[in-house]
Amino acid sequence: DAKTTQPTSMDCAEGRAANLPCNHSTISGNEYVYWYRQIHSQGPQYIIHGLKNNETNEMASLIITEDRKSSTLILPHATLRDTAVYYCIVSPEGVPNFGNEKLTFGTGTRLTIIP
Amino acid sequence: SQTIHQWPATLVQPVGSPLSLECTVEGTSNPNLYWYRQAAGRGLQLLFYSVGIGQISSEVPQNLSASRPQDRQFILSSKKLLLSDSGFYLCAWSPRKGNTIYFGEGSWLTVV
Repeated sequence: DAKTTQPTSMDCAEGRAANLPCNHSTISGNEYVYWYRQIHSQGPQYIIHGLKNNETNEMASLIITEDRKSSTLILPHATLRDTAVYYCIVSPEGVPNFGNEKLTFGTGTRLTIIP
Repeated sequence: SQTIHQWPATLVQPVGSPLSLECTVEGTSNPNLYWYRQAAGRGLQLLFYSVGIGQISSEVPQNLSASRPQDRQFILSSKKLLLSDSGFYLCAWSPRKGNTIYFGEGSWLTVV
């Protein structure tokens, strides 16, 4: 079962920053926070992940609180193409027993960008 | 660069008929491979994962099976489909080390 809590849905105006929250209060010390998104009828797309430091790439920024119990995904200038379901997932990276643990997806946040 | 492909993209099958969905990964070696299913309006459910040829782990009891005959080939099968097998099936891969998963385009299965 999923270890994260996200709002079911959010709206954001086109051109504004979209801030998607995620609670992961039971996160373990070796678990990373991953974000994926899924546009309707397509496979999920990897966005970003981090352990405890804030991360930024060409798609988004990830802000993780100091206690690591919550995080926020920021899409700096949302466009209509950012309308999707966004998944926040916690999982260890490179667990040696199987080489990798499995990512467990919850139901995510449905983000709608409003023109 | 690495790519993942799965096919067919859409499939309509009668109840009781067999199923075979195929997935291949290019541009990497020894990937971990996964099959997920997504029912309409719901999250992703992990069905199978594989860390090597012939090594398959099943996450949930079900009417489906998986096989990995080659390093970069993953097949999802059923001998007799049920109505409840309808859904969106996703193949995915991840590097041997590191947990970032990359998904295929997905296959829509409708059992009628």
